[in-house]
This record gives sequence, C-alpha cells and structure tokens, in this order.
Amino acid sequence: DTAVSQTPKYLVTQMGNDKSIKCEQNLGHDTMYWYKQDSKKFLKIMFSYNNKELIINETVPNRFSPKSPDKAHLNLHINSLELGDSAVYFCASSQAGQGISYNSPLHFGNGTRLTVT
Amino acid sequence: AQRVTQPEKLLSVFKGAPVELKCNYSYSGSPELFWYVQYSRQRLQLLLRHISRESIKGFTADLNKGETSFHLKKPFAQEEDSAMYYCAVGVNSGGSNYKLTFGKGTLLTVNP
Repeated sequence: DTAVSQTPKYLVTQMGNDKSIKCEQNLGHDTMYWYKQDSKKFLKIMFSYNNKELIINETVPNRFSPKSPDKAHLNLHINSLELGDSAVYFCASSQAGQGISYNSPLHFGNGTRLTVT
Repeated sequence: AQRVTQPEKLLSVFKGAPVELKCNYSYSGSPELFWYVQYSRQRLQLLLRHISRESIKGFTADLNKGETSFHLKKPFAQEEDSAMYYCAVGVNSGGSNYKLTFGKGTLLTVNP
C-alpha cells in the first residue's frame, strides 16, 4: 500500500521535449507538493496545492505547470525540457492543520529521476 | 523568511560512536522542526518531529529555542544509520499556506 505514489520512477528524455510526472496519494490529505532535489541533494519546494487550489509557487519557470484534477492527484507537466531540469522530483502530501493545530508531517513519494540529454 | 542551516555536509563516525548532526534555524515565529532521513536512492521518511518528543531508531532531538537549534543525536551509531539527514522547518503562513523548508542535508557514514 504505497501512500504517495509517483510515476514514472525514471524518465530519460531529450532537450526540448515535453513530459509529465504523475502523483497520487491515498492518505486522504488535502495538500500536495512538488519538491525538486538537485544533483547536490538540495531539496527545494516548487509548488503546493490545497484542495485543487494552487497555494505556493516558488519562482519556478513557467515551463513547469502543475495540475490537480482532485485533491488526491497532483501532476507535473514540463514543457521544452532543458539540461538543468535533470533532478529527482518528489511529490508529497500532508493534511493542513486547523487553527493553532499543526499540519501533519509531509509524506513523500519515491521520487522520479528525470534525466535530460 | 525561514532558513535552516546544517553546517556539516559530510559526517563520518565509527560504529558504536556517538553521533550528533547539527541543525540551526531562523524564523521569527513558532516553527515546527523535523528531521527527515533519506536512505540510498529512497524516498524521504520522517524521522522525528519536535512536538512528539520521542526517540526513533535511537535518535533524539531537542528543540532549543534560545540557541535556535534542533540537533539530532544518537549515543551509539549503527552501520544502517548511514544515510542523508535533512533538518526542516515547517511554517504556516496563513490558511493552507504551509511548507517545509529543508536544510542542505548531512550525509552520515557509519564505518564498521
């Protein structure tokens, strides 16, 4: 029972192509995220969605377009891929806290290793 | 804006030795602090959360608000502890605007 699942696990493609990564969570969480882990293992948030609504967009190039058809899914589409897009992309989910209560911890997927040649 | 500093990029210890992974944060409000672990080519997994005040796999971490630190400690390191460890601060900026900001990670190697 994978709680947060991403597909594909590996993605090798050429510069200029358009590709998508899919993410699904079965935890009943209302918030989903995309993080990018670069070659130096640095993790940086890209987007977050809450109940299909974009909440966080961290100065990511507009070639990256997230789409959330429902609160259990958050897909990432990337246009005109560049060499610098090569990284591991992690999807995550959490449940937003209410009032003064804390958010639940983030649960991460296994990652998608994108290689642009 | 919140910031997390992990001063050691690499840390190498021998099996059975104590280990401490340092983490300092900067945030003006009341943050949540976490330690996540990533074993080789695997997903990030939650290790500890400051509000839980529990010990997981022998690791503990205490939030020190005076020093703005959340160092991760284990008295006797095991080879299977070898992994990348990330300290993170969780901040809710209002409504559902919540995000985790990660430090750059510390790669722990436990030698036999």
